[in-house]
Amino acid sequence: QAVVTQEPSLTVSPGGTVTLTCGSTTGPVTSGHYPYWFQQKPGQAPTTLIYDTRNKHSWTPVQFSGSLIGGKAALTLSGAQPEDEAYYYCMLSYGDTRVFGGGTKLTVL
Amino acid sequence: EVQLVESGGGLVQPGRSLRLSCAASGFTFDEYAMHWVRQAPGKGLEWVSGITWNSGIIGYADSVKGRFTTSRDNAKNSLYLQMNGLRAEDTALYYCAKDWDDILTGPDYWGQGTLVTVSS
Repeated sequence: QAVVTQEPSLTVSPGGTVTLTCGSTTGPVTSGHYPYWFQQKPGQAPTTLIYDTRNKHSWTPVQFSGSLIGGKAALTLSGAQPEDEAYYYCMLSYGDTRVFGGGTKLTVL
Repeated sequence: EVQLVESGGGLVQPGRSLRLSCAASGFTFDEYAMHWVRQAPGKGLEWVSGITWNSGIIGYADSVKGRFTTSRDNAKNSLYLQMNGLRAEDTALYYCAKDWDDILTGPDYWGQGTLVTVSS
């Protein structure tokens, strides 16, 4: 089974911009992996931010965007707010299975 | 409003079985694929299984393949996870999640989870 890689932790200043990445041990991440991004705050269920690389749900805050950068999926947060401090997980598709990354703990400080 | 309510979790001995259920409401259940995702205490998310709208395709993580079985009853708006041969490493909060499509893509809405503890 493939391993999906994420930065264990990142820090961003309030109002700043940060990019989280999501890689695959099988090779470059492409749109064919249908990258997803999820946010999870302590004690809460995850919420889905981005699907199929860059698509947003109606509830996705405007400051989040998805893309592919340098063979990885990327989640960019522009204009970080204190409430954006959370764990962020990506998920990639491999045929009929899905694999989550280990998650990135994002600190807004 | 989409609602997903998991049930069936609890304390179970290693090697025993447990069946989780997910009651869905607020959407047309038989038009969407569904997923099970788990989270061990203090750990990250792990995709467990997914099932298409008509049960035509069911996928499993390698860690549960051959031990867990996912099924659904569209008439009852319910998703199930039959877990056999449970191990300590299966201890986790199990989430039911709705897909945004009828084929297997990925979750959009999530339940609050049901806790499974495997211990003697």
